[in-house]
Amino acid sequence: EPEVTQTPSHQVTQMGQEVILRCVPISNHLYFYWYRQILGQKVEFLVSFYNNEISEKSEIFDDQFSVERPDGSNFTLKIRSTKLEDSAMYFCASSGLASSSYNEQFFGPGTRLTVL
Amino acid sequence: RKEVEQDPGPFNVPEGATVAFNCTYSNSASQSFFWYRQDCRKEPKLLMSVYSSGNEDGRFTAQLNRASQYISLLIRDSKLSDSATYLCVVNEDTGRRALTFGSGTRLQVQP
Repeated sequence: EPEVTQTPSHQVTQMGQEVILRCVPISNHLYFYWYRQILGQKVEFLVSFYNNEISEKSEIFDDQFSVERPDGSNFTLKIRSTKLEDSAMYFCASSGLASSSYNEQFFGPGTRLTVL
Repeated sequence: RKEVEQDPGPFNVPEGATVAFNCTYSNSASQSFFWYRQDCRKEPKLLMSVYSSGNEDGRFTAQLNRASQYISLLIRDSKLSDSATYLCVVNEDTGRRALTFGSGTRLQVQP
């Protein structure tokens, strides 16, 4: 069964550093997403990406964040100048046909980001 | 303002029991509804979409009441492997694809 993959599984970084989280969405999916979950809290939407551009973003997704699809398979989230409060699990997700009214999203295993 | 609200639990039930979870959502324009399951420190996994007519998948039954803005999940014949957190998830607008998650209801099935 096709699945979303993410690397690395765990990233430790120093405050102020830049990190890039990587995702390979399900191959025939058209929409890609990043969500985050701070420990003990609920899953929060960050951004959605379609047709090589951001289609939607939340208030959390400020200038510190950017997304890119550098090739036909990878989808990346870059976090610049990381802060302690960026420590969280970051999930990538993808969903299928643009025409589908039921937006079923499938999640990758996540990258645990720890900012020290 | 809580957009998707769930009883956090935990629900402690014996194997074989039937358990029901409820969820309310605040945006009456919400279009799509889902139940996801999340194991500790793992990703949310889609359990089932919730359709207006209600739907069933094996031991799991989901219901939607648009008038009351209420979604339910019923699990029959609980297994130990059903122990997890169940997330109520809503897609609030046809023009948006962002999912809004509830905080989850924890289920512990005991032998």
